[in-house]
Amino acid sequence: AQTVTQSQPEMSVQEAETVTLSCTYDTSESDYYLFWYKQPPSRQMILVIRQEAYKQQNATENRFSVNFQKAAKSFSLKISDSQLGDAAMYFCAYRSPNSGGSNYKLTFGKGTLLTVNP
Amino acid sequence: SAVISQKPSRDICQRGTSLTIQCQVDSQVTMMFWYRQQPGQSLTLIATANQGSEATYESGFVIDKFPISRPNLTFSTLTVSNMSPEDSSIYLCSTRTANYGYTFGSGTRLTVV
Repeated sequence: AQTVTQSQPEMSVQEAETVTLSCTYDTSESDYYLFWYKQPPSRQMILVIRQEAYKQQNATENRFSVNFQKAAKSFSLKISDSQLGDAAMYFCAYRSPNSGGSNYKLTFGKGTLLTVNP
Repeated sequence: SAVISQKPSRDICQRGTSLTIQCQVDSQVTMMFWYRQQPGQSLTLIATANQGSEATYESGFVIDKFPISRPNLTFSTLTVSNMSPEDSSIYLCSTRTANYGYTFGSGTRLTVV
């Protein structure tokens, strides 16, 4: 079974600075999908960024970018120019490439609580 | 992408009772997922629900405790039955969207006393 590990339970960053959140995963599959989700206190899960494993280019969405190291099974999230609104719990998630039923489920890491200091 | 309305947003329930959580999607979707998020923990999949068939439950979750209804392609319910304080969690529904994305309901915070 796939596992997702986030080794940083908590991180903090000064406003306007850059922070990197770590994520590693374990899988025997060669193609899969990786996601970063943000969960603010409102509980709403918000997609931050996603990466298809077959794509070598790292995904980027505005201030958010990933460092995808397939051989190392690492998928870190970099937040540049951090803003107070970035404060939230961040979850890394994995999805199998296989189709059908619960294969479409997401497997989540335990999360990293990000605090942004003014 | 799809928008999910989830109700109730929170509830406080007596042990031994049941609570039904509803998720309404603004478009037709094939598959819906129900997750549990225990306090301070990650999301764990309870079951996958397809319209017209029985839900598929993950290891550690059973239909008698978490019966799921999926009467059509826009609606699903999860019931938490015979509740105990250990069932106090956030429950979220989710569905797949285009381009391998997923959207989530806003969650139900359940407290069992």
